[in-house]
Amino acid sequence: GAGVSQSPSNKVTEKGKDVELRCDPISGHTALYWYRQSLGQGLEFLIYFQGNSAPDKSGLPSDRFSAERTGGSVSTLTIQRTQQEDSAVYLCASSELAGADEQYFGPGTRLTVT
Amino acid sequence: QKEVEQNSGPLSVPEGAIASLNCTYSDRVSQSFFWYRQYSGKSPELIMSIYSNGDKEDGRFTAQLNKASQYVSLLIRDSQPSDSATYLCAVDTTSGTYKYIFGTGTRLKVLA
Repeated sequence: GAGVSQSPSNKVTEKGKDVELRCDPISGHTALYWYRQSLGQGLEFLIYFQGNSAPDKSGLPSDRFSAERTGGSVSTLTIQRTQQEDSAVYLCASSELAGADEQYFGPGTRLTVT
Repeated sequence: QKEVEQNSGPLSVPEGAIASLNCTYSDRVSQSFFWYRQYSGKSPELIMSIYSNGDKEDGRFTAQLNKASQYVSLLIRDSQPSDSATYLCAVDTTSGTYKYIFGTGTRLKVLA
C-alpha cells in the first residue's frame, strides 16, 4: 500500500512568512508524529497525534509552531513568522497505534528560510 | 532527561565483514527498541524492532537487546557498500506519552 506522503517536498520562504507543511499518513494508522532534523543533526521530536488529539506537544520549539489533524488522517504543521533557524527537514511518521508500534517515515519537507 | 546515546562514527568496515553498532539508553523501564537506517538526504527507514532480551535476526541483520545493561546493538553480517548509511537507534520513553527518543546516529562506511 501507499506509504506516508508529505508535501511540499521543498519549500523556500522568506523570513517572516507563514508556511504550512502537510502529512498524509498510511491508511489506517491512528498515530502520527512530526520531527525536525537539522543538517547533520539527529531527529528532534515536535508533536504526536493519537487520532485527532495531540497528547504531547512538548517538542514544539515556540508558539510560532502549531499542528492539527483532522478526520484522523491528514495533519498540517504550521510555522508562523518563520525564522532562519527554522530551516530544516520536517519529517512525518505514522504508526498503527501510539506506543510500541513501529513508525514509518515520509520523505520529508525541506524548509529553507531566506 | 531521558537519553539515547550512540557513537557518531564513522565506523569503517571492509566489505564482507560484520558491522557492530551500539546504543545505550538511560530509561531503565523502556520496553521498545528500534533501528532505522538513513541514507544521506533521505528519510529514516525502519530496519528492525526488538522488545525482548536476546537476539532477533532478519536476514543479514541481528538486533541484540540487554535490558539489564541498558544497551541495544545491531549487527550487520556480510556488510556491503550499499549498507553505508547512518543508523539511528530509537527507544520508547516512559514520560507518560507515547513517543520515541532517537539517538544521533552512527555513520557506517563499508569499504569496497
